[in-house]
Amino acid sequence: AQSVTQPDIHITVSEGASLELRCNYSYGATPYLFWYVQSPGQGLQLLLKYFSGDTLVQGIKGFEAEFKRSQSSFNLRKPSVHWSDAAEYFCAVGAKGAAGNKLTFGGGTRVLVKP
Amino acid sequence: DAGVIQSPRHEVTEMGQEVTLRCKPISGHNSLFWYRQTMMRGLELLIYFNNNVPIDDSGMPEDRFSAKMPNASFSTLKIQPSEPRDSAVYFCASSPRTEGTSILFFGPGTRLTVL
Repeated sequence: AQSVTQPDIHITVSEGASLELRCNYSYGATPYLFWYVQSPGQGLQLLLKYFSGDTLVQGIKGFEAEFKRSQSSFNLRKPSVHWSDAAEYFCAVGAKGAAGNKLTFGGGTRVLVKP
Repeated sequence: DAGVIQSPRHEVTEMGQEVTLRCKPISGHNSLFWYRQTMMRGLELLIYFNNNVPIDDSGMPEDRFSAKMPNASFSTLKIQPSEPRDSAVYFCASSPRTEGTSILFFGPGTRLTVL
């Protein structure tokens, strides 16, 4: 069965500093990987995805993520954080199955941005 | 595009009452998902539909929960009778594909409080 682990429940970062959120997955084949962001009181919005090809993927809002098969990781990064990046971030792994597509989500990492 | 629409946005009810949550997926999307989000358990997939047909309801917690999709533009999640432990945010999401893995588009959620 597939699973996703986000080791950090909370991260506090100063505005303008860099941010890295960790994600480790368990999956038997090549995974489809996603990062979603959830602002307070809102639904989840896709930041970026990895299906195949270049292991460094660019997303919206200046985020990027790198797929490292050897480490079973898909960490999210942003070089300079803005106050509006305060939110909860979810990593997810997808299974390509005959019956359709299901995502398994990690527990989320809540990011607080200090002025 | 209006995105995924959920109603109501907030619901407060008393234990034992019936609760019906509603979802309108994005037009043209063929898959629909119901998720539940709680602090303790994170995001859990309850059920998903492909082309209006329920494919996997293994995440539905109990017989008190039921979901229907009578047509491509409408789905309901019903809880009868409701219990305080059902308090959570319920998200509906839709996806344009039924095979393979593609992006989920989430609605804003319904925050359910059962007293």
